[in-house]
Parts: sequence; structure tokens; C-alpha cells
Amino acid sequence: QKEVEQNSGPLSVPEGAIASLNCTYSDRGSQSFFWYRQYSGKSPELIMFIYSNGDKEDGRFTAQLNKASQYVSLLIRDSQPSDSATYLCAPGSGYALNFGKGTSLLVTP
Amino acid sequence: GAVVSQHPSWVICKSGTSVKIECRSLDFQATTMFWYRQFPKQSLMLMATSNEGSKATYEQGVEKDKFLINHASLTLSTLTVTSAHPEDSSFYICSAHREGETQYFGPGTRLLVL
Repeated sequence: QKEVEQNSGPLSVPEGAIASLNCTYSDRGSQSFFWYRQYSGKSPELIMFIYSNGDKEDGRFTAQLNKASQYVSLLIRDSQPSDSATYLCAPGSGYALNFGKGTSLLVTP
Repeated sequence: GAVVSQHPSWVICKSGTSVKIECRSLDFQATTMFWYRQFPKQSLMLMATSNEGSKATYEQGVEKDKFLINHASLTLSTLTVTSAHPEDSSFYICSAHREGETQYFGPGTRLLVL
């Protein structure tokens, strides 16, 4: 069973703060790691991916990967109310992705 | 790039009828497409993996005779919900795998079976 664990939340952060979303996975064969954002009533959209250990920054988003610990995280700096959504962690191998249940983030004004 | 469309965006049908949902990759070819289902406030559930020119691979618990999948071309996969019942009412989302990248999702189709 390829499990992906995420805290369901909701994670509530004030506007302007850093939101930290965490994910652990069981499949050591996972080679690539994706973060998707899903607004209520909408389909998921890709926001970040990371392949190598360490940090990867893209604008206000930073993905962090530690394969030894089987841990991947997403940091959102200067959080905005528009960042309020569910964030899905998706480790993958080849074309297959294993989705976590997602963490609900609420950014309060 | 990496645009995936779905049609229709929503559909209401009577119990016992069949409903076809189309998923198209508009600006890339997709050998592999996926069909997911999501109930309100639930997580994304993979139903099946659709491979162009071959039979789909269904996840455990998904009835292949009820959810017919056809992937006739590199840009089109269809999901037909046969003899739909109210419990099939859900948000159906497809995704297409872009080679060398990842899955890109369509906007989803809301199905309501009365």
C-alpha cells in the first residue's frame, strides 16, 4: 500500500504569515513529488514539483524534500486569503501519482 | 501549455440512463489519462488508468462494466457511466499525463443523477 499522509487541517494562518504544509509517504520508489492546489468545487492545479533532496523555490512557494525521511513539505510565504484551498501532496513514479487526502489551508485577513 | 478540457462541465440525468464524459488534452498528446471521482468534502479517488489503444486498468472496487472507458486517440478519453443511479452522483475529474512532466487535470464534470 502506497500511503501518503497529510494533516487534514484546517491549518489557519493570518495573512502575511508563512504557511507550512507537511507530507510523508511510504513508497521509497517515489521519484518525483508534486504539490497541487484545489479550490473548493474546482479540480486540482499543479503549483510545484521537486525531484531532488533539498529546497526548491518558486515565487512565494518553497518545496522541501528529504527522501531519507520520506518527507516533503510546502512553504507558502506572505500567505494571502486567495491561498485558502486544499493542498494535495502527490509523490509519483513514472506517470502514476499517489495523492494524499490534502491539507485544508485557511488564510485569515 | 498543458491544457485539459472536459465536456460536459455538468450533467443532470434520470436514474437508469447512461452518461458520457469526454476528456481532451488540447495542446499535447497523452498516452495515459486518468479518471478520478470526488465526493463532497472527500479526497480524490482514482477510478482507472486509461491507456491509448488498450484496455483501461481499473482500481479495486470500481466496476469496469459500469464505468466504461475508451481512449481511442492520443488526445481523447471518454468515461461512460452506464445505468447511472443517484449514488453515482459525484464530481468526475480526468487528468492527462504529459510526457516528461506530470498529470494535468481537466476542470471536472459534475454529475447529478435524479
